[in-house]
Order: sequence, then C-alpha cells, then structure tokens
Amino acid sequence: DTAVSQTPKYLVTQMGNDKSIKCEQNLGHDTMYWYKQDSKKFLKIMFSYNNKELIINETVPNRFSPKSPDKAHLNLHINSLELGDSAVYFCASSPFREGLETQYFGPGTRLLVL
Amino acid sequence: QQQVKQSPQSLIVQKGGISIINCAYENTAFDYFPWYQQFPGKGPALLIAIRPDVSEKKEGRFTISFNKSAKQFSLHIMDSQPGDSATYFCAAGPVYGNNRLAFGKGNQVVVIP
Repeated sequence: DTAVSQTPKYLVTQMGNDKSIKCEQNLGHDTMYWYKQDSKKFLKIMFSYNNKELIINETVPNRFSPKSPDKAHLNLHINSLELGDSAVYFCASSPFREGLETQYFGPGTRLLVL
Repeated sequence: QQQVKQSPQSLIVQKGGISIINCAYENTAFDYFPWYQQFPGKGPALLIAIRPDVSEKKEGRFTISFNKSAKQFSLHIMDSQPGDSATYFCAAGPVYGNNRLAFGKGNQVVVIP
C-alpha cells in the first residue's frame, strides 16, 4: 500500500498554463507538506497544513496555492507557469503528536515547463 | 539563509570503506537532527535521527555523531555498499514548533565495487 501518493508523476506543460498536483496520504497523519526540489537537489519547504489549517507558508509566488479539502489530501495549484517552476515537487506527511516527527515523502511529481 | 550546511558536496567511496558526511547548523533552538536518504527517482526517506541528549546513535551500519558545542553532526556509513549509493540530506529543527525542518543541500554518495 502506498503511504503518500502523488499524481501525476510527470507533468510537461507550456509556459502560462495552469496545473494542479494532487497528494493523498493513508497514514492517518495530521500534517502535510509541499517541498520543491530544484535541479541541484536542494529541498525547500513551500507549505505545511495541519488538520486543514495552513501553518507554514514560505515566501513563494502567490501563483502557487495549496488546498487541503481534508486532512488526508493536500493539493497544489500553480497558475501561469514559468520556466523557473520546473522542478520536482514532493508531498510529505507527518504525525502531529508532541513535536517534530518523521516526515514521509511521496514519490514526487516531475514538472517541466517548456 | 542556509540554516544547515552540509559537506562535502559529493563523495566517492570504495566498497567496504567508511562514508562520512558532515553538517553544521546555526540555530541553537534546533534540537532534532534527522538524516534522510534519497535514491534516484524516489522521495527522501528517514534513515536515522538524533536528539541532543545523546552524542551518538547507531542503527546497523549507520551512526550519527553529535557535537552540541560545535553545532555539528555527522553521518557515518560503515562498510559502505553499492546499495548505499544515494543522496543524503541532513536536516534540523526545533522539536516543539511548527514541524518545520531545515534541510541541507544534500550530499551524493557513490560507492564503487
């Protein structure tokens, strides 16, 4: 069983388009995250939700908008895609017991903007 | 600002050798230090983690050494195997906060037979 799943796995699109990436976790975790990994493999936190409430909102362009319909899902919508958005986007989840816990990452969505 | 600095950037080790990756952090509020392992085409996965109440933690061939006064911690891979070839990320964060982890830039380890 896949713990954290993302769709699609690959996304190739033209500049200016709007696209969404979906994430689902079946671990019963309360907290979900979106990370961006650039071509140099640097992992940067973008957003974090705890029980559908936004708790981390890093300095990312407002073209990126996360949506959490329930605590098992966290989607990422990107408007007006730019070349610099090309990266691998990882969703992750963690329990929210007492303090920091292991984050479980999805397989990633490879976005290429042409 | 890079809160966690990782070195070296890449490492080539012979099979059976020891791989050592170092990390330095700046924020004294950090008290949770995990290492994540990422294989090509996959997401990162937790390998081992330490909290500063101990100076060393060992799990199989993987050991974290922690030096609180120097604000440094390192990952040692003993008896390195070709299957250990991956990118390794150190991370750090406060145990009690908003679950935010600061990741290092990653270190690519290649173990040659």
